[in-house]
Amino acid sequence: QKEVEQNSGPLSVPEGAIASLNCTYSDRGSQSFFWYRQYSGKSPELIMSIYSNGDKEDGRFTAQLNKASQYVSLLIRDSQPSDSATYLCAVKGTAGNKLTFGGGTRVLVKP
Amino acid sequence: NAGVTQTPKFRILKIGQSMTLQCAQDMNHNYMYWYRQDPGMGLKLIYYSVGAGITDKGEVPNGYNVSRSTTEDFPLRLELAAPSQTSVYFCASFSGQGHEQYFGPGTRLTVT
Repeated sequence: QKEVEQNSGPLSVPEGAIASLNCTYSDRGSQSFFWYRQYSGKSPELIMSIYSNGDKEDGRFTAQLNKASQYVSLLIRDSQPSDSATYLCAVKGTAGNKLTFGGGTRVLVKP
Repeated sequence: NAGVTQTPKFRILKIGQSMTLQCAQDMNHNYMYWYRQDPGMGLKLIYYSVGAGITDKGEVPNGYNVSRSTTEDFPLRLELAAPSQTSVYFCASFSGQGHEQYFGPGTRLTVT
């Protein structure tokens, strides 16, 4: 069973601080990694994708990937109350165009 | 483009009843997926399709069936509904290129 693990949280962060979210995965052959944001009662929306070891920055978001450690993370800089949501880590494994999702980390940004 | 649409938005079923959740996309995507999301949990893949006429099981297919007669539509059938099928169901589509799966708004199903 291919697994993706996340801390369920909630991760409470003061406004303006950095939120750091972590995700580990078991399928060593995985090549594509995604972070989705899901507001309560809504569908997931893609915010970051990463394929190579290292960092990838997009606005206030930075994704970090370490394939040797089977670890992917998301940093949210200058956190805003609008960042309060559940963040889902998803991994595309070696068997076709299918995603395996982690359980999600709930983030609360307090003004 | 409407993107991915799902009907109904909400439904309450009695144990043993059957129903079909509808999903349609107007982006001409080959890949379509059905997920379920239990409260406080991630998404679990139920079934997926790589094109019209081709479907395959995901992680949690028991109690469900699908068909894909056209590129646009991917209905999910629940036979003999059980309380364990109470969940939010999301349909998604993917072109096969790039990296984004587009999700529908979801169907909230309660089985009592």
